[in-house]
Amino acid sequence: QVQLVQSGAEVKKPGASVKISCKASGYTFTKYYIHWVRQAPGQGLEWMGLINPSGGSTSFAQKFQGRVTMTRDTSTSTVYMELSSLTSEDTAVYYCGGDRHAYCAGDCSVGYWGQGTLVTVSS
Amino acid sequence: DIEMTQSPSSLSASVGDRVTITCRASQGISNYLAWYQQKPGRVPKLLIYGASTLESGVPSRFSGSGSGTDFTLTISSLQPEDVATYYCQKYKGAPLTFGGGTKVEIK
Repeated sequence: QVQLVQSGAEVKKPGASVKISCKASGYTFTKYYIHWVRQAPGQGLEWMGLINPSGGSTSFAQKFQGRVTMTRDTSTSTVYMELSSLTSEDTAVYYCGGDRHAYCAGDCSVGYWGQGTLVTVSS
Repeated sequence: DIEMTQSPSSLSASVGDRVTITCRASQGISNYLAWYQQKPGRVPKLLIYGASTLESGVPSRFSGSGSGTDFTLTISSLQPEDVATYYCQKYKGAPLTFGGGTKVEIK
């Protein structure tokens, strides 16, 4: 059973960076691409990008290009998302999510979700 | 990038009513369309993928249809536990864009 467990809430100052982890368990880590989706308070879902846990390749929404980094550690089955140059507009709950089907290489729906990590950006 | 537009943005219906939500893609996406349900304060949950395939465990009162640019999510008989915001998402080729969401309430 696919499980994704994220790191805890973060409070950051404007201009800082935040790095969130997403630890996978219950399946072969390299089978499912991991997506990152965020949700600002009272707002909708926003897809940020994805990472291939096998080779580490990534694809990002244009909005986040240059400001987001996604990495993985295959030894611990953990994916990381780092967002830099934070502003108050980055205050949101950040979710990691896994492909619905194995080996669909990010080209399928998000079938498994982490519990979310609240990032608050405030001076 | 392909844009996904949902309508309405919110609706209020009575228990037992048939509810329909629409999602329109700015370009054809075949059937690479998913629907998610997000209850207040909860994590999103996959309801439907492939435009019409019900995820395991999802009640049969939910159904999806459409192909190309126009899609619908139907709740055949609205139940109190269906109060949530529903999102469509296109998923073939990055970016995997979400629609703006439809908030469903009980009248």
